[in-house]
Amino acid sequence: DAGVIQSPRHEVTEMGQEVTLRCKPISGHDYLFWYRQTMMRGLELLIYFNNNVPIDDSGMPEDRFSAKMPNASFSTLKIQPSEPRDSAVYFCASSLLAGGGETQYFGPGTRLLVL
Amino acid sequence: ILNVEQSPQSLHVQEGDSTNFTCSFPSSNFYALHWYRWETAKSPEALFVMTLNGDEKKKGRISATLNTKEGYSYLYIKGSQPEDSATYLCAFKTGGFKTIFGAGTRLFVKA
Repeated sequence: DAGVIQSPRHEVTEMGQEVTLRCKPISGHDYLFWYRQTMMRGLELLIYFNNNVPIDDSGMPEDRFSAKMPNASFSTLKIQPSEPRDSAVYFCASSLLAGGGETQYFGPGTRLLVL
Repeated sequence: ILNVEQSPQSLHVQEGDSTNFTCSFPSSNFYALHWYRWETAKSPEALFVMTLNGDEKKKGRISATLNTKEGYSYLYIKGSQPEDSATYLCAFKTGGFKTIFGAGTRLFVKA
């Protein structure tokens, strides 16, 4: 398996533009997670899905952020409109099961810069 | 508020030195503790998952211990090599899927 795939790897955009980040989880994994990593706050969980259904979106910073998972092999994280403070690395991760001991496999991340 | 602390923030060692760092987490509502290795420009890679008090895990020159009663885990690297240079993250999991990551310990190993 190719692992978790994210695109784009880098994104530079202007404030106010819509940004869409994409993730393909590992095939057969039922759980998908979106994380954001910043210098100030470290790695934060934004939202996670189980079998394509959003389970906990309490980490989503505000209404400008939305995430979807239309099928088992694809998820998007959208920011509209984007702001400079959204600049961060966004990671997607997937895991097979739900248990606390279950390992999450991370994608390479999307480095977002909002000017 | 659940808080996961890692210390030190960064560490510089010489090749061949052994080293260790700490992850502190809440001692209540413990479910699991994960260690990840995160190289620059790559994604975090799972090292260990520990769920039981007293757990010890080992992978090559890297090992980890867990004390859930006092809320800490140690990661040890024996005979550090330059390729061990990375950020080491711990992640604390409560019941369900609440995951809180520490800020990481950045290790630099000089040849």
